[in-house]
Amino acid sequence: GAVVSQHPSWVICKSGTSVKIECRSLDFQATTMFWYRQFPKQSLMLMATSNEGSKATYEQGVEKDKFLINHASLTLSTLTVTSAHPEDSSFYICSARESFWGPGDQPQHFGDGTRLSIL
Amino acid sequence: DQQVKQNSPSLSVQEGRISILNCDYTNSMFDYFLWYKKYPAEGPTFLISISSIKDKNEDGRFTVFLNKSAKHLSLHIVPSQPGDSAVYFCAASASISGNTPLVFGKGTRLSVIA
Repeated sequence: GAVVSQHPSWVICKSGTSVKIECRSLDFQATTMFWYRQFPKQSLMLMATSNEGSKATYEQGVEKDKFLINHASLTLSTLTVTSAHPEDSSFYICSARESFWGPGDQPQHFGDGTRLSIL
Repeated sequence: DQQVKQNSPSLSVQEGRISILNCDYTNSMFDYFLWYKKYPAEGPTFLISISSIKDKNEDGRFTVFLNKSAKHLSLHIVPSQPGDSAVYFCAASASISGNTPLVFGKGTRLSVIA
């Protein structure tokens, strides 16, 4: 089945540094990738929709200058948390969408997530 | 405004019994629904889906029921096993194609007690 690889799985870094998270679709081309954030005991909150070759579409309340998204190829999207602070600590999950899917399929394949801890 | 609601944050069931997880939605444009299972520090794992043209879909121990008029769906797990203990998310999509993202509920933590 389709696999999405997310790296790194866990990051601990000092406040003020920038952190890059990679999301790769391993066996399919993903024209669209999504980035989610999950707080403890909360739902998956969509942060942005990333389309290959164009600018990401951010959800209301998500700072685009804070969370830089690049989707330079059909198999790779990156999320960079710039000048990270403790309040950015969270679990970030990416998902990739296959170009064609139908009933019985799942429209999005998820990575295993990245736990970001800012000290 | 939450478009997908899972009103029970947690559920405990004895091993071998049926687990019923509920989900309600408000957006009548949703036409495809999915259930995901999630362990801590892992991404969601797809379980089962249902299109709005059906009212039931079954896959092994998992069955999803859809009541469009009530805007309600449920996931039945029978028999429940300890390995089923996880957080279950209900998700909905307004389009079977295109770039429409999934909308998730807040999840229900299922504990299956041996």
